[in-house]
Amino acid sequence: KQEVTQIPAALSVPEGENLVLNCSFTDSAIYNLQWFRQDPGKGLTSLLLIQSSQREQTSGRLNASLDKSSGRSTLYIAASQPGDSATYLCAVVLGYGQNFVFGPGTRLSVLP
Amino acid sequence: GAVVSQHPSRVICKSGTSVKIECRSLDFQATTMFWYRQFPKQSLMLMATSNEGSKATYEQGVEKDKFLINHASLTLSTLTVTSAHPEDSSFYICSARGGQGFRNQPQHFGDGTRLSIL
Repeated sequence: KQEVTQIPAALSVPEGENLVLNCSFTDSAIYNLQWFRQDPGKGLTSLLLIQSSQREQTSGRLNASLDKSSGRSTLYIAASQPGDSATYLCAVVLGYGQNFVFGPGTRLSVLP
Repeated sequence: GAVVSQHPSRVICKSGTSVKIECRSLDFQATTMFWYRQFPKQSLMLMATSNEGSKATYEQGVEKDKFLINHASLTLSTLTVTSAHPEDSSFYICSARGGQGFRNQPQHFGDGTRLSIL
């Protein structure tokens, strides 16, 4: 059974710092891995999608890496801003149309 | 733990058919439900947010007359794809969040519905 964990559970940093969020999954046979952002009271916002054949994806200040063999992904946020404060979720999909397996999330607070 | 049931899991139908997808929260009252769509090799995209007893809020680019959302009770939301066409073929997933007044409650996701329009 696929299990996804995220470390740390919560993180508080001063504005401007670079930070790394970690995601681990137990079954390396994944279809893709996605990072989401969740703001309080809002639906998920997709940040980055990494296909199983890819090693990293970048969007603006965000960079996500994927190492399938070790069952790990990291989300790197450069020059953090207070507006980055949210819960960040990673999720793996085992195949198209199959359900997501989400990690528990990392709650990030960026202090001005 | 909290469970969200989504039905059907797969639908194959002819172009022009209207398709209804149900999303039920089984052991909690879902004050808010979210509907997402995912095309092959693309990320999950939020379509709309529905609060029980009020009109759904649609994301930009999502046709509200095409995708009818009803959230008439605290345990059921439905998404109806009206007059579906092949371009509507996608994976639709719902999620539910419970606890009125507790906006930080986590979302619980259904298993999704794979819709194929011929």
